[in-house]
Amino acid sequence: EVQLLESGGGLVQPGGSLRLSCAASGFTFSSYAMNWVRQAPGKGLEWVSSIRNTGGGTYYADSVKGRFTISRDNSKNTLYLQMSSLRADDTAVYYCAKSKPYGTGWYGANDYWGQGTLVTVSS
Amino acid sequence: DIQMTQSPSSLSASVGDRVTITCRASQSITTYLNWYQVGPGKAPKLLIYAASSLQSGVPSRFSGSGSGTDFTLTISSLQPEDFATYYCQQCSSTPITFGQGTRLEIK
Repeated sequence: EVQLLESGGGLVQPGGSLRLSCAASGFTFSSYAMNWVRQAPGKGLEWVSSIRNTGGGTYYADSVKGRFTISRDNSKNTLYLQMSSLRADDTAVYYCAKSKPYGTGWYGANDYWGQGTLVTVSS
Repeated sequence: DIQMTQSPSSLSASVGDRVTITCRASQSITTYLNWYQVGPGKAPKLLIYAASSLQSGVPSRFSGSGSGTDFTLTISSLQPEDFATYYCQQCSSTPITFGQGTRLEIK
């Protein structure tokens, strides 16, 4: 059974940093791109960042570029999101999601999601 | 960036109704289009990928169609558990983008 378990969320002051982790199990982690998607309170889904299976390609939304860093440790089956210079508008539930590639694309669809971890940026 | 526009933003319907949600891309994405269902306090659930392929375990009352810029999600006969918010997502190019969502409510 595929499981994705996020951790690391919490309350942080504006300008602060936080590192999210996503522990994966039930599939060959090193074979799939992984992603972070967030949902601010009362808002829609927003793609945040992706990393290819080998870690060789990383991608970011403009809203987080230069402030967030995605990484993975395939030996530990774990995905990370290092967040710095946090702002109030980064407040959201952050989901880790697995990619299901199709066609010639590397991203595909997000077929498995974690339950999310809440990040609150407030003084 | 590819903009995704869903309509309607909200919809009221009854159990047993047939419902259609549309999603339009600002440029052609061929069939790189996915649909998700988000229930209150729940993680998103993949329903349809590649515009028309039903994800494993998803009831057959859900179907998707379209290509290029115009896509639809149809629920053939609404069940109580289907009242949720639905999002389309393009995965043709980064940045990956979602529609703004369609909230499906009980009439």
